[in-house]
Amino acid sequence: DGGITQSPKYLFRKEGQNVTLSCEQNLNHDAMYWYRQDPGQGLRLIYYSQIVNDFQKGDIAEGYSVSREKKESFPLTVTSAQKNPTAFYLCASSNVAYEQYFGPGTRLTVT
Amino acid sequence: QKEVEQDPGPLSVPEGAIVSLNCTYSNSAFQYFMWYRQYSRKGPELLMYTYSSGNKEDGRFTAQVDKSSKYISLFIRDSQPSDSATYLCAMSRNTDKLIFGTGTRLQVFP
Repeated sequence: DGGITQSPKYLFRKEGQNVTLSCEQNLNHDAMYWYRQDPGQGLRLIYYSQIVNDFQKGDIAEGYSVSREKKESFPLTVTSAQKNPTAFYLCASSNVAYEQYFGPGTRLTVT
Repeated sequence: QKEVEQDPGPLSVPEGAIVSLNCTYSNSAFQYFMWYRQYSRKGPELLMYTYSSGNKEDGRFTAQVDKSSKYISLFIRDSQPSDSATYLCAMSRNTDKLIFGTGTRLQVFP
């Protein structure tokens, strides 16, 4: 089965802790993306990567970090510097930006 | 002003109705126009994409782009309760990143 997996589905952390969200794809897509979704705000781009070992900041990169060491994997770290980390995080992949395929998402709650 | 505007709804219609979902945009450089469907607590699913102006049909779904008015629409014919979801429009200037609308929540009641 080809697709995008994100784990875990739900994640709870204490304030001040860094947390890493996993994203893996077996679609052989070159590009991968991380979005954040908050109620009433749609999807906002955090980081994206078009090739291995290269990535670019999106619109809301502050407080987040990523790596792209393998084509299949694009983990996102939410650092303690992110002021409002509680959100629904979505990973996507594509060969062209207008045809992105999304994973099931990770709901992160920080208390 | 946001680059892409979308009415959040909710839009509530009876089963079998024709649904019209719309987005407006301000950037005339957008060339690709997409519609995604998102069920509650799930990732968005790509429904259709259109390049430049015109119509595109896929089963009960029709996407329409009017670049002169900077207006795009998604029509759903014979709506079903299973169509109840949030519909997101998205746009792209080229092969770079997407700009999303905030989504319209649709409820189709039996």
